[in-house]
Amino acid sequence: NAGVMQNPRHLVRRRGQEARLRCSPMKGHSHVYWYRQLPEEGLKFMVYLQKENIIDESGMPKERFSAEFPKEGPSILRIQQVVRGDSAAYFCASSLRTGPGYTFGSGTRLTVV
Amino acid sequence: KNEVEQSPQNLTAQEGEFITINCSYSVGISALHWLQQHPGGGIVSLFMLSSGKKKHGRLIATINIQEKHSSLHITASHPRDSAVYICAADPNRDDKIIFGKGTRLHILP
Repeated sequence: NAGVMQNPRHLVRRRGQEARLRCSPMKGHSHVYWYRQLPEEGLKFMVYLQKENIIDESGMPKERFSAEFPKEGPSILRIQQVVRGDSAAYFCASSLRTGPGYTFGSGTRLTVV
Repeated sequence: KNEVEQSPQNLTAQEGEFITINCSYSVGISALHWLQQHPGGGIVSLFMLSSGKKKHGRLIATINIQEKHSSLHITASHPRDSAVYICAADPNRDDKIIFGKGTRLHILP
């Protein structure tokens, strides 16, 4: 059981490029959560997804950010036209929901230059 | 006011000291999590509590549901315990967990 896998661990993008962050939940987990940690700040909720459904995206910026969790494959957090302020660590967590709690991935550190 | 409050924000102690980090929350919860994050590192889940007390090695976590308060204790602290410790409340609803701002712990050799 490999746990929650996030890749890449580090991602550098120039302003205006797109960033794609991937999260493979733990085997059997069908709930995925994305969190953002800005430098020197706490973790903030972004979006909660189940397979093929966005359940709660109240923490997502209205523009440039999108997330999906397809029937097959990892969950993807996509940031279009990145800006310097998007530089942060992005963490994914998954849960079974009916059983024990969350398992976190190691995060993706996005740097926009 | 944040729904999850941690104290202290920063803590520096000598190796060997007994450490206590506190967490108070204002929402109804199904569980409370303690997480550890090393500088530049990922997040490790230390405990998930819904009542009572749990122990893992030198780490102890307690929760008082009536008082909506949890504590994380570290016995015989060591420099490798230096990290940010985060309390997170898992609400009584099908929703996202709520994080405290973290306690930055620095253990001096």
